[in-house]
Amino acid sequence: SQQGEEDPQALSIQEGENATMNCSYKTSINNLQWYRQNSGRGLVHLILIRSNEREKHSGRLRVTLDTSKKSSSLLITASRAADTASYFCATRRLSGYALNFGKGTSLLVTP
Amino acid sequence: EPEVTQTPSHQVTQMGQEVILRCVPISNHLYFYWYRQILGQKVEFLVSFYNNEISEKSEIFDDQFSVERPDGSNFTLKIRSTKLEDSAMYFCASPEAGLAADTQYFGPGTRLTVL
Repeated sequence: SQQGEEDPQALSIQEGENATMNCSYKTSINNLQWYRQNSGRGLVHLILIRSNEREKHSGRLRVTLDTSKKSSSLLITASRAADTASYFCATRRLSGYALNFGKGTSLLVTP
Repeated sequence: EPEVTQTPSHQVTQMGQEVILRCVPISNHLYFYWYRQILGQKVEFLVSFYNNEISEKSEIFDDQFSVERPDGSNFTLKIRSTKLEDSAMYFCASPEAGLAADTQYFGPGTRLTVL
């Protein structure tokens, strides 16, 4: 498989705290994306970081990419109960434009 | 955000039966994907479809599966003889720009339960 794993598999924090999730991948990439999935729903694109970028921000999201370690992290600052969801990193398959997803991190934010 | 719709939201079928899952991708988009997610597992790519042809498929997409664009708007995934292990959420996705862009918009999914 081209795609590695996210860690932790599950994360439980309180509102206002920061949540950090990590992702590892196995092959060279052009970019890496993060998606969110609310329980039983479709995936929603959060942010894309290109291979020549080291860090990117979008609102309360901060993504880093270390291509030498083949890893990425997603930081959600000042978390809210509404951030409760599963978070997946995704890279493009070698053979085309479809995505390979990791197993995801399940985030629970309690009030 | 552009919307991808899928029907039905939930399909229950008996093992060995055929099912057809439907997707209405973003208007005027030519490039579509199907993914599945077995409960508690990661999202897996099944097939991509461009301009009325399969452009890429995974090892999961065997002869049991087929995709069609029966009219100008709908996009279907057919599973010919369902097995228990086909129980999963099935997602349709359109790429951001209508062509093979990296960012994809996902539909809400169809939950398939095979009994």
